[in-house]
Amino acid sequence: DAGVTQSPTHLIKTRGQQVTLRCSPISGHKSVSWYQQVLGQGPQFIFQYYEKEERGRGNFPDRFSARQFPNYSSELNVNALLLGDSALYLCASSIIGGDEKLFFGSGTQLSVL
Amino acid sequence: QKEVEQNSGPLSVPEGAIASLNCTYSDRVSQSFFWYRQYSGKSPELIMSIYSNGDKEDGRFTAQLNKASQYVSLLIRDSQPSDSATYLCAVEGGATNKLIFGTGTLLAVQP
Repeated sequence: DAGVTQSPTHLIKTRGQQVTLRCSPISGHKSVSWYQQVLGQGPQFIFQYYEKEERGRGNFPDRFSARQFPNYSSELNVNALLLGDSALYLCASSIIGGDEKLFFGSGTQLSVL
Repeated sequence: QKEVEQNSGPLSVPEGAIASLNCTYSDRVSQSFFWYRQYSGKSPELIMSIYSNGDKEDGRFTAQLNKASQYVSLLIRDSQPSDSATYLCAVEGGATNKLIFGTGTLLAVQP
C-alpha cells in the first residue's frame, strides 16, 4: 500500500507570493494533519482535518489555510509568504478513533527568498 | 516552560552499546506518547508508541513511561551506526491526533 504522498517535493518562492501544497493520505485513513518543521526544531502542528471538517488549528496566522476533499486528500495554502515560512511542511494521516498514530509523508521543502 | 523537553545532544555511543533517550512533558492529562526517528533530510518515522505506565519492548527498542513523573524514555539496545538519527519525542496534545513534539535528540553511534 502507498504511504502518505506529498507534492511538490521542493518549492522556491519569493516573499509575498502564495503557495499550495498537496497531500494524499494512506488508503483508509480519513484524517489529515499538517505540520511545519523549521531546521533544528521539532514539527509544529498547523491543522487537522477529518471528514472535510477542521478539527484543530495550531498557533499560526490566518495566512495559513487548508481544506480536505471528499477523497480525503488535502491542500495547505499559505498566502503573503514571509522569509520565516521557509521550512519543511509535513502531512500526516491517521485513523480517527484508533490508536492516534500519525504517519508522515516525505514532506515539501519550501524556500522563500 | 516548554511542553515537551528533550536534550538536543548530540548523544554519542559506541556500536553495540545501549542508547538512552529521555523526554519530559508538562501536560498531565496526556495519554498517548510516541517516539519518531528522523534521518537528516527525511521525514519522521514512527518507531514506538506507549499509552500506559511501564515498559514496552519492540525488538531492540524499549519505551518507558512514568506518568507520575511526566517522563518518557527510549532505550536502544545493541546500537548500530544505522541508528544514527534525530529522535523526536511526541505527546498527544488534547485535540484528537494533535501531537506536540520536542526538539529532538541527535544520536550518533560510533563504529
